[in-house]
Amino acid sequence: QVQLVQSGAEVKKPGASVKVSCKASGYSFTGYYMHWVRQAPGQGLEWMGWINPNSGGTSSAQNFQGRLTMTRDTSISTAYMELSRLRSDDTAVYYCARITCDSASCYMDVWGRGTTVTVSS
Amino acid sequence: EIVLTQSPGTLSLSPGERATLSCRASQSVSSSYLAWYQQKPGQAPRLLIFGASSRATGIPDRFSGSGSGTDFTLTISRLEPEDFAVYYCQQYGSSSWTFGQGTKVEIK
Repeated sequence: QVQLVQSGAEVKKPGASVKVSCKASGYSFTGYYMHWVRQAPGQGLEWMGWINPNSGGTSSAQNFQGRLTMTRDTSISTAYMELSRLRSDDTAVYYCARITCDSASCYMDVWGRGTTVTVSS
Repeated sequence: EIVLTQSPGTLSLSPGERATLSCRASQSVSSSYLAWYQQKPGQAPRLLIFGASSRATGIPDRFSGSGSGTDFTLTISRLEPEDFAVYYCQQYGSSSWTFGQGTKVEIK
């Protein structure tokens, strides 16, 4: 079945970087953009950016430009999200989500279960 | 950036009642790129509605979406116990995706 499996929880110190992986299965990895969304404790959803697994092209939300790097390894159908210069307010659950676009619309139809990143000294 | 404002923040209803959730955009949004998601505690969001009014695969027909321009609505015709959750609207426009802040539907 179609699924996205994310890497495990991380604890990082302020100023460090974190890299989260998202392994896709059950569909053609290069056929769908992958997005990253985060959710701080008790808060709503925040879009971070996307990667085109086919070309490697990326686009980031303005809030994350300069700190967010998205990459992929097509040989293992895995997308990566790396956030640098971590701060305490980066503590959140980070989700990967597949975007499906048909002739009329685009939507996030498959989500990973999330990776908890805790930033604490 | 387009800002989505959801109301109310919390909706207290009983099973069997009708829920009407609102999502208002700061500027006109293409209906093609307006979606609704449901999120339960400890779970990832789940796609309910895309293209403003199309139900995702496996979503019961008690869920319906409507609206255009700047005003969109998610309606749950008769609340089932499993429908008590947080609901988010989402849009894509100007190379950016944004979410509303969410509406919590709680048991009264």
